[in-house]
Amino acid sequence: DTGVSQNPRHKITKRGQNVTFRCDPISEHNRLYWYRQTLGQGPEFLTYFQNEAQLEKSRLLSDRFSAERPKGSFSTLEIQRTEQGDSAMYLCASSLTKHSLDSNQPQHFGDGTRLSIL
Amino acid sequence: KQEVTQIPAALSVPEGENLVLNCSFTDSAIYNLQWFRQDPGKGLTSLLLIQSSQREQTSGRLNASLDKSSGRSTLYIAASQPGDSATYLCAVIIQGAQKLVFGQGTRLTINP
Repeated sequence: DTGVSQNPRHKITKRGQNVTFRCDPISEHNRLYWYRQTLGQGPEFLTYFQNEAQLEKSRLLSDRFSAERPKGSFSTLEIQRTEQGDSAMYLCASSLTKHSLDSNQPQHFGDGTRLSIL
Repeated sequence: KQEVTQIPAALSVPEGENLVLNCSFTDSAIYNLQWFRQDPGKGLTSLLLIQSSQREQTSGRLNASLDKSSGRSTLYIAASQPGDSATYLCAVIIQGAQKLVFGQGTRLTINP
């Protein structure tokens, strides 16, 4: 168990550029979540996957955001045409659930990707 | 809409003291409540998970309680140490949902 891994740790980019983050969950964890955290606030839910299926998306996830988990293992989060307001820490978490309605397993978080928009 | 509140936003205590962090939530229909620790610039480390049918959970010097009817949870830290300095976050999963809803966190400083 190597934990949830996120890359890159830091990303600095100019406004208007596209960025992509990667998350590798704990192996065999079937559920993967993305959250966003701004300074001084708790994380806010963005989206989650059960295996390769994206089952819920927050209203925070505008059309410029897209997430994928093509083979039910790692996931990517892409932000197109970045804006100043996208600056935040993007956190990934994973959990192992026994069935689709199981919400009683702890979510394990990675160290996040800190995005800074110049 | 579920709202989670943590008070105080910041707390500073001398080493060795026992302390309590508070978390309240507006919708009592929850699956579970989870306490996390976050060090500066890092991700979240899960400390304790209390299922809705449970009243408390313990791990080492940490004890978390849950009172669903009043919408409250507390995290008790015994014999605090400088290494306990971090931000502590509570989060709930409401029934019928799969996502965590977080409070703003309590930034804890333990002074040697």
